[in-house]
Amino acid sequence: GAVVSQHPSWVICKSGTSVKIECRSLDFQATTMFWYRQFPKQSLMLMATSNEGSKATYEQGVEKDKFLINHASLTLSTLTVTSAHPEDSSFYICSARDQLAGAYEQYFGPGTRLTVT
Amino acid sequence: AQSVAQPEDQVNVAEGNPLTVKCTYSVSGNPYLFWYVQYPNRGLQFLLKYITGDNLVKGSYGFEAEFNKSQTSFHLKKPSALVSDSALYFCAVRDTGTGRRALTFGSGTRLQVQP
Repeated sequence: GAVVSQHPSWVICKSGTSVKIECRSLDFQATTMFWYRQFPKQSLMLMATSNEGSKATYEQGVEKDKFLINHASLTLSTLTVTSAHPEDSSFYICSARDQLAGAYEQYFGPGTRLTVT
Repeated sequence: AQSVAQPEDQVNVAEGNPLTVKCTYSVSGNPYLFWYVQYPNRGLQFLLKYITGDNLVKGSYGFEAEFNKSQTSFHLKKPSALVSDSALYFCAVRDTGTGRRALTFGSGTRLQVQP
């Protein structure tokens, strides 16, 4: 149990376009999901906390107008990178916690590698 | 603010030998501590956690970790390393002294097990 999926697994887009990344909890409900960003050979940096039915909470320094987060249901959160630029190229990872099961650990999606040309 | 330190960028160990990956933390309240492993171009896989109770916790794939409150450490260990254990390991903490639900990760330690 506790599987989190992400789609797409990788995407290449042109500078100035927008890209949407989906994060789904497949076998549990998640009122909260988290979006992280990972640069090569670096750790995960939290970008925002996605709350079902309400606005996301962004970390300091993360542009909320650039990284749009929508948590439309208990099993789906989306991250849209708007007007992407090459510096947005990174590995984006989402996670979720099965709160109803009382689980403390977060389960991570497989990640989405974004390359902006 | 909560923080996690993994002092070693890389740990090298021969197959069959015991391994230790170090982690120390800083929190304002009680810590929830976690270890995750990441293989190339993959997401993170949960290994084990400490929430409360016994200081020695056992997790997946034969890994274990010991919570040491006085030293604020949570080192990951395995009695006998396998080549397949070679990966990137992350320690993470959640500070129950704050309202923050997200995890804070260490910088990661690359484990290389030589045959």
